[in-house]
Amino acid sequence: AQTVTQSQPEMSVQEAETVTLSCTYDTSESNYYLFWYKQPPSRQMILVIRQEAYKQQNATENRFSVNFQKAAKSFSLKISDSQLGDTAMYFCALPNGQNFVFGPGTRLSVLP
Amino acid sequence: DAGVTQSPTHLIKTRGQQVTLRCSPKSGHDTVSWYQQALGQGPQFIFQYYEEEERQRGNFPDRFSGHQFPNYSSELNVNALLLGDSALYLCASKIQGAGTDTQYFGPGTRLTVL
Repeated sequence: AQTVTQSQPEMSVQEAETVTLSCTYDTSESNYYLFWYKQPPSRQMILVIRQEAYKQQNATENRFSVNFQKAAKSFSLKISDSQLGDTAMYFCALPNGQNFVFGPGTRLSVLP
Repeated sequence: DAGVTQSPTHLIKTRGQQVTLRCSPKSGHDTVSWYQQALGQGPQFIFQYYEEEERQRGNFPDRFSGHQFPNYSSELNVNALLLGDSALYLCASKIQGAGTDTQYFGPGTRLTVL
């Protein structure tokens, strides 16, 4: 069974600094995608970044990047130059057949 | 490019009643999934619809049912509401067979059962 673990229930970071959110997972698949979604207080789940498992290069989207360690089944999200608008719940997600398995989430607060 | 839309935004029902939630997928998408998100938790998969059929179902009772229409929009029905059904219900859409598994989410419907 696919499982996703996020060991940091809450984190905070000062504006303009860098923060890393952790995610570990378990899957029996050999090729798969991994995702980070952001859910601000407005509730809309927004795709932040995705990584294809067979690609060795870590994905990057502007201030967001991942550190993907396939052997360790680790998929962390790094947010650089944190902004107040980054305050949200962050969920790591792994496809499981036709749906997603989500981790429990990390609540990130960006402090002015 | 229209994103995923859901209606209504909020809903208040009493125990034992029935509710219908609606979702229109992102333009060009043909597959719709429904998730239940309890307060402070990650979303839990309810079921997915493609070609007007339920393709996969999570661990939810038969009180939860759905439908997909020829225009790819979808409904989630919940019968005999329980207090524990209070949650945010998220709809997500994707293109079947696109290869990336990426799902795009709507803003959700907040259901409160009293």
